[in-house]
Amino acid sequence: DQQVKQNSPSLSVQEGRISILNCDYTNSMFDYFLWYKKYPAEGPTFLISISSIKDKNEDGRFTVFLNKSAKHLSLHIVPSQPGDSAVYFCAASSIGNTPLVFGKGTRLSVIA
Amino acid sequence: DGGITQSPKYLFRKEGQNVTLSCEQNLNHDAMYWYRQDPGQGLRLIYYSQIVNDFQKGDIAEGYSVSREKKESFPLTVTSAQKNPTAFYLCASSRIPRAKNIQYFGAGTRLSVL
Repeated sequence: DQQVKQNSPSLSVQEGRISILNCDYTNSMFDYFLWYKKYPAEGPTFLISISSIKDKNEDGRFTVFLNKSAKHLSLHIVPSQPGDSAVYFCAASSIGNTPLVFGKGTRLSVIA
Repeated sequence: DGGITQSPKYLFRKEGQNVTLSCEQNLNHDAMYWYRQDPGQGLRLIYYSQIVNDFQKGDIAEGYSVSREKKESFPLTVTSAQKNPTAFYLCASSRIPRAKNIQYFGAGTRLSVL
């Protein structure tokens, strides 16, 4: 029973264009959402997060949007760069000291 | 230079052997976690600990054991009962959050069976 779903295993985007990575969740108790970026044979690195009291959070080229009614969040990368090519994981947690629940990841390829 | 150190980077296990993966953090984080990554499976939680001398099972704890004798250290033992141990193992840590739970990860250990 997947509580966090990333339905697109892979995505290819041209350099300079927008990358949109999507994530859906089923647990209405989730109130904090994160995106991680992972290169092969390395640990994931934290990218950006959003609390359920917001619907948008920006950090440079990265913006995360949250639609609570649809239980959907998305990560926008503008403009996309070849160095953005990696696997992106969506994660969620609920109130309190609960571990993060991760999606299966989306592999982004930015083509020069 | 604060961070999470996992060792070794590569590890090989023989049939019937227990192996231990090391995870040390100097971030003064209270909580530590172990995940397993398989191709196409994302990150699955094995065990986590929020305080010294206490730990909880995650989704796939069978065949694994942990200890938390020190705040800085959370070693994972892959026992002979784990029949499919080949995977990439990731350790993470975080502060006990009030509202945010950002986990920081080590570089991982790749375990293979001989």
